[in-house]
Amino acid sequence: EAGVVQSPRYKIIEKKQPVAFWCNPISGHNTLYWYRQNLGQGPELLIRYENEEAVDDSQLPKDRFSAERLKGVDSTLKIQPAELGDSAVYLCASSFLDVAEQFFGPGTRLTVL
Amino acid sequence: GEDVEQSLFLSVREGDSSVINCTYTDSSSTYLYWYKQEPGAGLQLLTYIFSNMDMKQDQRLTVLLNKKDKHLSLRIADTQTGDSAIYFCAEINQAGTALIFGKGTTLSVSS
Repeated sequence: EAGVVQSPRYKIIEKKQPVAFWCNPISGHNTLYWYRQNLGQGPELLIRYENEEAVDDSQLPKDRFSAERLKGVDSTLKIQPAELGDSAVYLCASSFLDVAEQFFGPGTRLTVL
Repeated sequence: GEDVEQSLFLSVREGDSSVINCTYTDSSSTYLYWYKQEPGAGLQLLTYIFSNMDMKQDQRLTVLLNKKDKHLSLRIADTQTGDSAIYFCAEINQAGTALIFGKGTTLSVSS
């Protein structure tokens, strides 16, 4: 069974440019999470979806970040415009019903120059 | 607020035991977790413990939980070079909606 798939794995952009990350969760997992992991830190939740509904987006900087999960399966996280401080690894995770057992993708490493 | 603290580095020799420690703040956490992250990879769930337990053993891994002191530890027996990675302790947030991670402990295993 395929795990959580993320693309691209790496992205380098200049500040003020837009960028988008894609995530496909494990088949059948209704809950999807986007985390940001800064260098030397643990992951921090940005947004959590149950099916197509965002149930916790309190930590998502809504002035520049947006996310969608239109059909309750795959999801896209967008930053527009990107700032230098957005350089991080963006991790997607999924779980079946329960927040307890989350499976993580390999992440997208974003570098903003 | 919710917070998880870990020591940042641990260095051991191959074959020795490793003990990684963690303290957490939310006494209502139902589950506590240990994740492993290898370079360039996502997080892999190693093991977890339910809050009404004080110990859980899974092959080379032993988790000890001291609820009174809010202290969690992960012991890796017979540590191998392949165990070199960053280990994250995590608890569920009060809302029960997400995991709160520590900053991670980098385990370095020398042969």
